[in-house]
Amino acid sequence: GQQLNQSPQSMFIQEGEDVSMNCTSSSIFNTWLWYKQEPGEGPVLLIALYKAGELTSNGRLTAQFGITRKDSFLNISASIPSDVGIYFCAGHGTGNQFYFGTGTSLTVIP
Amino acid sequence: EAGVTQSPTHLIKTRGQQATLRCSPISGHTSVYWYQQALGLGLQFLLWYDEGEERNRGNFPPRFSGRQFPNYSSELNVNALELEDSALYLCASSLFPEAYEQYFGPGTRLTVT
Repeated sequence: GQQLNQSPQSMFIQEGEDVSMNCTSSSIFNTWLWYKQEPGEGPVLLIALYKAGELTSNGRLTAQFGITRKDSFLNISASIPSDVGIYFCAGHGTGNQFYFGTGTSLTVIP
Repeated sequence: EAGVTQSPTHLIKTRGQQATLRCSPISGHTSVYWYQQALGLGLQFLLWYDEGEERNRGNFPPRFSGRQFPNYSSELNVNALELEDSALYLCASSLFPEAYEQYFGPGTRLTVT
C-alpha cells in the first residue's frame, strides 16, 4: 500500500536539543496524525491536525499541517531521554484508509 | 477508561497453520482497524471494521480476514500462515465518523516458524 515519505529515518541528538521531522505525500490529506511508538508497545497518539496551516502544540511537541495539504511537520523542543522512540506520521485522505509514514527513530544522548 | 486491549500478547505458529488474534476497542468506539508491522518497518493497513461491517481492506491476500462482533470487539484471522506473516499485529479503535483519531492497543507478536 501507499506509504508516506518521512524524514529523517533516524536522529541521534544531545539532550536539550530541538528536533524536527517531516512527512510528505503525493496525495492531499484532510487529516494528519503524529504517533510515538516505544519498543514492544503500540503507537501512542501525540497530535491530530485537521486544517491546512493548523499549528498545534502538546507540551514540548508542536506539529503543523502543511498549506499544500501534502505535508506535515513535527518539532520537539528541549529533548529529554524519555523522548526516545519511533515517531510516525499518518495521513487520511478521501478514501477509507490511513497511510502511515516509515517512521523516524529518535535517540537522545544524555 | 480502559484502552484498546489485544490478545494474546504473543503467538507462535508453524507454517500452514491458522492464527486468530483478538481486539477489544475503547468503550464507545465503533471502528476497529488492523495493521501489520513487520520488524523495522512502518504500519501496513490490513482491515477496517465499523458497526460490524468491513469498510475497507488493504493490499493483503484473502487469507487475511476478520470480523467485528455486536459488542464492537474484533477478530483477525490469518489462514495458511507463511514465514513472512511474522510481525506485530496492531489493532486501533476510533469514534468514526466523529473523529479520525485512532488509539492503538499494545499489539500481538505473531511468530511463524
